[in-house]
This record gives sequence, C-alpha cells and structure tokens, in this order.
Amino acid sequence: AAGVIQSPRHLIKEKRETATLKCYPIPRHDTVYWYQQGPGQDPQFLISFYEKMQSDKGSIPDRFSAQQFSDYHSELNMSSLELGDSALYFCASSPTGTEQFFGPGTRLTVL
Amino acid sequence: EDQVTQSPEALRLQEGESSSLNCSYTVSGLRGLFWYRQDPGKGPEFLFTLYSAGEEKEKERLKATLTKKESFLHITAPKPEDSATYLCAVRNTGTASKLTFGTGTRLQVTL
Repeated sequence: AAGVIQSPRHLIKEKRETATLKCYPIPRHDTVYWYQQGPGQDPQFLISFYEKMQSDKGSIPDRFSAQQFSDYHSELNMSSLELGDSALYFCASSPTGTEQFFGPGTRLTVL
Repeated sequence: EDQVTQSPEALRLQEGESSSLNCSYTVSGLRGLFWYRQDPGKGPEFLFTLYSAGEEKEKERLKATLTKKESFLHITAPKPEDSATYLCAVRNTGTASKLTFGTGTRLQVTL
C-alpha cells in the first residue's frame, strides 16, 4: 500500500539558513498535517491543510510557513533556523479528517 | 486545553508476560482516541481509533479499550518485536485536525 513520502530524509543546515521540507500524501487523502518531534518528546502539531486551505494551526513559529499545492503535496518552509529547530519533522495525511497516517520523517540538524 | 497522560513511562516485560498500558485524557469533546506505535527514528504507525466509551478493538496481540476518562492498550503474550514506544493521542470536537499526543510508553520485551 502507498505511504506518505517525505523528502529529504536527512537535512543538515547552519544557523540562520533556510530549509524546505516536502511531503507527498497518500493518494486520495485530502488533509495534510505537519508535526515536530524533539528528542525524547511527543509529536507537536504545527499546521494542517484541507483541500489546499490551511485548516488548523498549532505552535508553529512565525519563521515557519507551509502550503499545500494543487497536486496535494505540501511544503514546510523554515527560515532563520535556530539550534532548537533540530528535530524530526513528520508529515501525516488522512482521508477527510479520520485516522492520520505518518510518513517516515525528515531529521533536521541545525549546526 | 486537551491533556494526555500515559503510564508507565517505561515498561520491561519478558516474552509472554502480558500487561497493560494506560492513557488518561482530558478533552472538551472527544472526537477520537488514537493509538500509535513508534520505533526509534521512524514515523508513528497507526494502530487503533476508538470513538466512544465501551468500544474495543483488537489486532494480533494488542487490544485497545476506552472509557470516558482513559484508554488501555492490553498486550497479550508479547514478543521481542513488540518492543517500541506506544503513543496515545486525542482529537477534540472543537479542533478540525490536530492530534494531542501523550509522551508515550517505552516498551521493551526481552527473551
């Protein structure tokens, strides 16, 4: 069965640089979510999109932005990176707000 | 604000030794309680969704139950491959999308 695809899987950046994370949801899933998971912590909700419109917003820094495109893939843009942004970033997708299926994650390391 | 508390934080079992994991929650209006399994460095893997008190779901050696205040994940005769972190999450009726996670129970099953 098709799963959520995330790229890149690993990313190393310097402080104050910019990063773009990509997410390709499971086909026919219309909702995409982004979560951040720090070491030893639970996933924290950042933002979600339904049918290409932002549907919910969590504790996402103003330095971060995201969007969902016409093909339903989503991108999380992170600017002015800080050391504390180092984490696993997960994308999840669901068909019309039911169970969320998570991707393998992008491990971001900020040096 | 939604809150999810999981116990114990860590659990070590011998193969075949059954046990239960607890998830206590506070939510304004429950629109689903979710159990996920997470292996180190990987994305959460969906296990179960429970919607109303009294509901039960089973999958292989796992059984999830739900009351108005808590959920249990029962593990019967576990095997070493069941070793993982088990995450509980809730979604409330006032929020379109986001899941609020507990900090998880780290389960280790030894021979």
